[in-house]
Amino acid sequence: KAGVTQTPRYLIKTRGQQVTLSCSPISGHRSVSWYQQTPGQGLQFLFEYFSETQRNKGNFPGRFSGRQFSNSRSEMNVSTLELGDSALYLCATSGGTSGGEQYFGPGTRLTVT
Amino acid sequence: AQSVTQLDSQVPVFEEAPVELRCNYSSSVSVYLFWYVQYPNQGLQLLLKYLSGSTLVKGINGFEAEFNKSQTSFHLRKPSVHISDTAEYFCAVSPYGAGSYQLTFGKGTKLSVIP
Repeated sequence: KAGVTQTPRYLIKTRGQQVTLSCSPISGHRSVSWYQQTPGQGLQFLFEYFSETQRNKGNFPGRFSGRQFSNSRSEMNVSTLELGDSALYLCATSGGTSGGEQYFGPGTRLTVT
Repeated sequence: AQSVTQLDSQVPVFEEAPVELRCNYSSSVSVYLFWYVQYPNQGLQLLLKYLSGSTLVKGINGFEAEFNKSQTSFHLRKPSVHISDTAEYFCAVSPYGAGSYQLTFGKGTKLSVIP
């Protein structure tokens, strides 16, 4: 099976712009979660989608949003970018096995200047 | 809510020596426990997981971990490390039966294997 893919891998944006990141899950996986990784805060949960519905959300401002399509692919959007949004954004997908083990993509490195 | 504490931010160890990376967690509900590894410029790879049953779990690349419920710990061990084990290791938990797969991570431990 192909792994989790994320596009683009690298992105440079300017403060105030918006950005959309994409995640394609492993075939058959219906759960997609997003995490932000920074040197200061570590890995933090953004949100999780399952069958096109957001079923959990982390403690991030409303500028961070996401959606999931009927083919389980997911996008996350960040509006009005701030310097502090510079991070590695990781997507993780799960096939619903006991324990919900998640498989991670390589991430999108976002730099905000 | 859950929290995870990785007691060492950096661990240097000589090649072929044993290593233990420590992890303690706090949770008001039962949790599943995981260890992930992250190599430079890559995503996270699952090393091993504890769901239930035997408290000693074996994972990939010769790693194993022991769940201790009374001490709420899940330490990762390897009897003999290789240069290729140099990476960052993350301990994580997710709540049992919560209807969500949200992971709560520790801050990570950077393992440096010295030739």
